[in-house]
Amino acid sequence: GAVVSQHPSRVICKSGTSVKIECRSLDFQATTMFWYRQFPKKSLMLMATSNEGSKATYEQGVEKDKFLINHASLTLSTLTVTSAHPEDSSFYICSATSKRGDSYNEQFFGPGTRLTVL
Amino acid sequence: AQTVTQSQPEMSVQEAETVTLSCTYDTSESDYYLFWYKQPPSRQMILVIRQEAYKQQNATENRFSVNFQKAAKSFSLKISDSQLGDAAMYFCAYRRNNNDMRFGAGTRLTVKP
Repeated sequence: GAVVSQHPSRVICKSGTSVKIECRSLDFQATTMFWYRQFPKKSLMLMATSNEGSKATYEQGVEKDKFLINHASLTLSTLTVTSAHPEDSSFYICSATSKRGDSYNEQFFGPGTRLTVL
Repeated sequence: AQTVTQSQPEMSVQEAETVTLSCTYDTSESDYYLFWYKQPPSRQMILVIRQEAYKQQNATENRFSVNFQKAAKSFSLKISDSQLGDAAMYFCAYRRNNNDMRFGAGTRLTVKP
């Protein structure tokens, strides 16, 4: 199956700093990438949908100025957490859809990034 | 808005036995996809099984099968011959066309040896 990678897998940063998380589709072109957030023992909550070459669409309640998403190419999307605070500590997961010949686009998940803000 | 409900926060099964995880969803759409994902301690999301809403036949993948009741908006997962490696969080998810997925709250499955 297709592979989606995330980097870094773990990051610890100081409060007030910015952190960038990369999501890459390694062997397919991802026209759309999704960013999810998962708190401990909780479900995945969609943060935003990112289409290559256009602005991301954010879910209600997600601050677009705090969580900057860039989808500059068909294989890379980045999530930047700006001016991070301890409450931003969470597990961030990306997923990507690959274009196939039929109407259904499989969605593949990255391994996630654990962010800890001190 | 579409919602997915998993009413069982935790389930337990004896090794080699069968367990059923429940999921209901709410949608006004007629075409959509339903999924069960497994999330082990590594946190990697692993697709267990997928069901297309337009298909009446229940999906099956080896020991995993679903009971899809479209009118009742119910989508349960049956795990047969449970193995220790099946222990994980299981998430039911809904997806319309090629849009994002909406996940249920999850069910933590414990397998007892």
